[in-house]
Amino acid sequence: DSGVTQTPKHLITATGQRVTLRCSPRSGDLSVYWYQQSLDQGLQFLIQYYNGEERAKGNILERFSAQQFPDLHSELNLSSLELGDSALYFCASSVAGTGRTDTQYFGPGTRLTVL
Amino acid sequence: GQQVMQIPQYQHVQEGEDFTTYCNSSTTLSNIQWYKQRPGGHPVFLIQLVKSGEVKKQKRLTFQFGEAKKNSSLHITATQTTDVGTYFCAPAPKANSGGSNYKLTFGKGTLLTVNP
Repeated sequence: DSGVTQTPKHLITATGQRVTLRCSPRSGDLSVYWYQQSLDQGLQFLIQYYNGEERAKGNILERFSAQQFPDLHSELNLSSLELGDSALYFCASSVAGTGRTDTQYFGPGTRLTVL
Repeated sequence: GQQVMQIPQYQHVQEGEDFTTYCNSSTTLSNIQWYKQRPGGHPVFLIQLVKSGEVKKQKRLTFQFGEAKKNSSLHITATQTTDVGTYFCAPAPKANSGGSNYKLTFGKGTLLTVNP
């Protein structure tokens, strides 16, 4: 158990819908990272927040947005969902904001299925 | 931008055989991390390498960082069924190479299966 929690574990929805994924980092960690994992694309970095502010952006679509709240939990919002958005979404956390050198602790993931 | 190649994509071995996965970058790296993801699980941090030519061992796992800091390898001696999973490298480019100071890029991983 990494100490990072993610809800829900599974999500099944239809195309065009909007969903929110939630992540609570390990106690004491200030950074939260979001990743998308699909079979053909591997682990794709989406976005990082550090202490409430966006720190780094990866291959995140405009239909996706995220935020980190004062209590440091984070939400990833996915809208106008398409079939291709079906994937495993991981949240990770680390102590500091330097994603390149910090150890990242991953949550169990949310499996999103878009029908 | 930085290109990361991890090979092989898949490797199937008999239990007791050795296994090696390689991670190659088109640019000089600041450091590299390795993660393991068990089937149905989440990535778990294994190690970070920082120095040129660095070699680190964890029981049957040996991690190496190339002298030029452009490649790395993970070698498992005498594989066991508990070694099954996908091994990811996560190289971080040097800050002045135009890469983000914060972003960590993961390779596509090597899926290791072990026949008991």
